[in-house]
Amino acid sequence: AQKVTQAQTEISVVEKEDVTLDCVYETRDTTYYLFWYKQPPSGELVFLIRRNSFDEQNEISGRYSWNFQKSTSSFNFTITASQVVDSAVYFCALSVNFGNEKLTFGTGTRLTIIP
Amino acid sequence: DAGIIQSPKHEVTEMGQTVTLRCEPIFGHNFLFWYRDTFVQGLELLSYFRSRSIIDNAGMPTERFSAERPDGSFSTLKIQPAEQGDSAVYVCALELTQYFGPGTRLTVL
Repeated sequence: AQKVTQAQTEISVVEKEDVTLDCVYETRDTTYYLFWYKQPPSGELVFLIRRNSFDEQNEISGRYSWNFQKSTSSFNFTITASQVVDSAVYFCALSVNFGNEKLTFGTGTRLTIIP
Repeated sequence: DAGIIQSPKHEVTEMGQTVTLRCEPIFGHNFLFWYRDTFVQGLELLSYFRSRSIIDNAGMPTERFSAERPDGSFSTLKIQPAEQGDSAVYVCALELTQYFGPGTRLTVL
């Protein structure tokens, strides 16, 4: 069975600060995929990134970056120079079968950026 | 815009009633998923289809829940009879799980 843990339920930071959202996963499969989604106040989930288990390179996309560490089963998400528009609930998720992409979600982290 | 229409956007019903939620992909997709967001336990997978066949129904909370995808395109999620604990947002998603619908907010009084 798969499990995703987002220990941070809520985080508040002042605008322009950097913030890291933690994600720890559990799976016995050697092939798996990790995801991050953003859920803004409008409610619709927005895909941010998918990373497979064989690619441990860190990813940077603008102010967003992801740190994948297989040794600690973590896939953390950092927002640099946060902005008010980053306020949302962020979900980390795990899938163990590409093409059969049932996702196991973490419980989400509510991020509030204070102007 | 992921091209998913979910209807209704908001459903208010009473205990004991039958609720039918609909998910309609604008473009054809092989895999279709139903998730429930209770805001307490996060997103939970209820059921998913490959074409018109149910691949996994294990996430359905009770037998009151059923899902169909008769022709491999649109899908319906039925709750019969609805209970207060069913109040949540029900989200449809398409293959590769990069595409989520806007969800249907269900309120059971």
